[in-house]
Amino acid sequence: SYELTQPSSVSVSPGQTAGITCSGDVVAKNYVRWFQQKPGQAPVMVMYKDSVRPSGIPERFSGSSSGTTVTLTISGAQIGDEADYYCYSAADDNWGLFGGGTKLTVL
Amino acid sequence: QVQVVQSGAEVKKPGASVKVSCKASGYTFTSNYINWVRQAPGQGLEWMGIINPSGGSKTYAQKFQGRITLTRDTSPSTVYMELSSLTSEDTAVYYCATLSTPDDYWGQGTPVTVSS
Repeated sequence: SYELTQPSSVSVSPGQTAGITCSGDVVAKNYVRWFQQKPGQAPVMVMYKDSVRPSGIPERFSGSSSGTTVTLTISGAQIGDEADYYCYSAADDNWGLFGGGTKLTVL
Repeated sequence: QVQVVQSGAEVKKPGASVKVSCKASGYTFTSNYINWVRQAPGQGLEWMGIINPSGGSKTYAQKFQGRITLTRDTSPSTVYMELSSLTSEDTAVYYCATLSTPDDYWGQGTPVTVSS
């Protein structure tokens, strides 16, 4: 199915590890990117090709993939990591698809 | 230094059309596709379409087929998104973005309000 499914919210205590999943058939065939969006700001890419971190993104962000699910993991989550996170995949014929987004709360 | 600058906020009446521009500088304009993404108030990101600034080929999300038109001018390095037959459900912030890797570039967003 051409959908990317994410949990609507994830909560974690500061210093703990948060995992955000993104599931869908398209994940098995195409790479996924992750975007972080804070209120009032444009999204920022924090992961691409499932598990590659762009320059400037802290090492506590990591990505993994298994079958039809990819996971963004934030190890040692910080208050500043509170944001909405979106997975995104682009198919071979150029159409794109975002997941519904996950609100990460760190408290 | 890469800059992606969009046109300003728009207020439109239902049934009207809106045209948003996206001007890129600081990189080779034809080297990155440009995507359009929108975000309704309190909602998630929604992919609308993509255009190749080099050849002009485009792909639209099925939801917007028949209502969206993407065009480009290579000089200046500008891409345009026009959305027609607006309803209140089109009220959103519209972003252009390369969505390229390893570096991607986003415009600042253009708020579009549809209200009678």
